[in-house]
Amino acid sequence: AQSVTQPDIHITVSEGASLELRCNYSYGATPYLFWYVQSPGQGLQLLLKYFSGDTLVQGIKGFEAEFKRSQSSFNLRKPSVHWSDAAEYFCAVGAKTGRRALTFGSGTRLQVQP
Amino acid sequence: NAGVTQTPKFQVLKTGQSMTLQCAQDMNHEYMSWYRQDPGMGLRLIHYSVGAGITDQGEVPNGYNVSRSTTEDFPLRLLSAAPSQTSVYFCASRLGQTQETQYFGPGTRLLVL
Repeated sequence: AQSVTQPDIHITVSEGASLELRCNYSYGATPYLFWYVQSPGQGLQLLLKYFSGDTLVQGIKGFEAEFKRSQSSFNLRKPSVHWSDAAEYFCAVGAKTGRRALTFGSGTRLQVQP
Repeated sequence: NAGVTQTPKFQVLKTGQSMTLQCAQDMNHEYMSWYRQDPGMGLRLIHYSVGAGITDQGEVPNGYNVSRSTTEDFPLRLLSAAPSQTSVYFCASRLGQTQETQYFGPGTRLLVL
C-alpha cells in the first residue's frame, strides 16, 4: 500500500530565510508526487507535481521540489520565504494508473516570523 | 469555469440526523472523490467515482453513501450523523483515471453535536 510521511508537524522560519519541508513516500514503483498548499479556511491548491523526467520540478510561488528515488523523498524547498507562505503543506502520492485517488501525508504547518 | 463547488460551507447537525453534502464540477471531469480532513491526519479518501454510475469505497467509507447520476454532480450522504463525523469535507475532481492534476473544492465544515 502506498503511504506518505511528513515528519515535521510544525515548522517556524523567519521571513527571508530558506525553507525545506520533508516528504517520504512508500510505493512499489515510481509514483506520481504532488505538493499542495492550504491557507487557513481554504481548499487545497496544487504547488507542483512530479510525473517523470527531470527530478527537480518547479512550481508556483517560487517553490521547487526534488524527487530522490534512492531516498524515497520528495522534499519541498523555497530559497526565501515570504509572510504569505504561512499555511499548511501537504505531500501526496498517487499511482500512475488505476482507480485509486491520492494518498496524503498528515501535513506540515508553516509559520513565518517577521 | 467555476471549477469545483461545494455546498453548504458550514453545517451543524445533531446526532442521528441525515444530510447531503453537495459537490459539482463544470470541467467535464470523469473522476471525482470525497475526502475528510481531520487534525494531524491529512486527507483521507471516503468514496470516489470514475464516471457516471460508477462509485467505489475509499479508506474510510463507513457512515457515508454516494451516487453519481451525472458527470457534474457527486453528492455525499450522511444517513445518521455521528460526532465522529465532525470534520472538514473536500470534494475533488480530475480529468481521468491517471494522475492528472486534481482540483479541490473549498470544503464543507461539518459539526455533529
